[in-house]
Amino acid sequence: AQSVSQHNHHVILSEAASLELGCNYSYGGTVNLFWYVQYPGQHLQLLLKYFSGDPLVKGIKGFEAEFIKSKFSFNLRKPSVQWSDTAEYFCAVNAGTGRRALTFGSGTRLQVQP
Amino acid sequence: DGGITQSPKYLFRKEGQNVTLSCEQNLNHDAMYWYRQDPGQGLRLIYYSQIVNDFQKGDIAEGYSVSREKKESFPLTVTSAQKNPTAFYLCASSIQGWNEQFFGPGTRLTVL
Repeated sequence: AQSVSQHNHHVILSEAASLELGCNYSYGGTVNLFWYVQYPGQHLQLLLKYFSGDPLVKGIKGFEAEFIKSKFSFNLRKPSVQWSDTAEYFCAVNAGTGRRALTFGSGTRLQVQP
Repeated sequence: DGGITQSPKYLFRKEGQNVTLSCEQNLNHDAMYWYRQDPGQGLRLIYYSQIVNDFQKGDIAEGYSVSREKKESFPLTVTSAQKNPTAFYLCASSIQGWNEQFFGPGTRLTVL
């Protein structure tokens, strides 16, 4: 079965610091990759997605992620975080199997201090 | 406005009772999903449906049941067989199973 690992469970940064959140998945075939964000009290919403093509994808609010197939990774980055980025971030994978549903990582709670 | 609605927002249940969580979408999406969110465990898939009158078990289907009689509706019943039902439940939909999913606001269920 496919699995997704997010090794950073809780990250605390100061404003203007750079961010990188790790995501690794276990499936070796074709995958669709997603990062979702859950701001306090709000719906889970899509930050960015990768289906094919350029492995460096850009999303909303200045976030980007790089798909490295050889490392089974899809790490999320932002050069300079803001207090408003405080949220929980989830990596998700949809693998090319018969199951057409997302598998989520356990999430990373990001706290940005002003 | 297009979107996904879940009701109620908060739900309290006594042990031994079944309870049904509502999920409705007006996005004309074929696929719908139910997840359970617990602290530190991310989202775990309970059931999903790719088309009306068809659904499949996810990773943690025991103690839950669903129906998909209409395209726009995918209710989830938490039965008394679910040993630890207190959690935050999220419903989602997508155009097709491979695409991004859109999420509802969630229902927080507490068993008293």
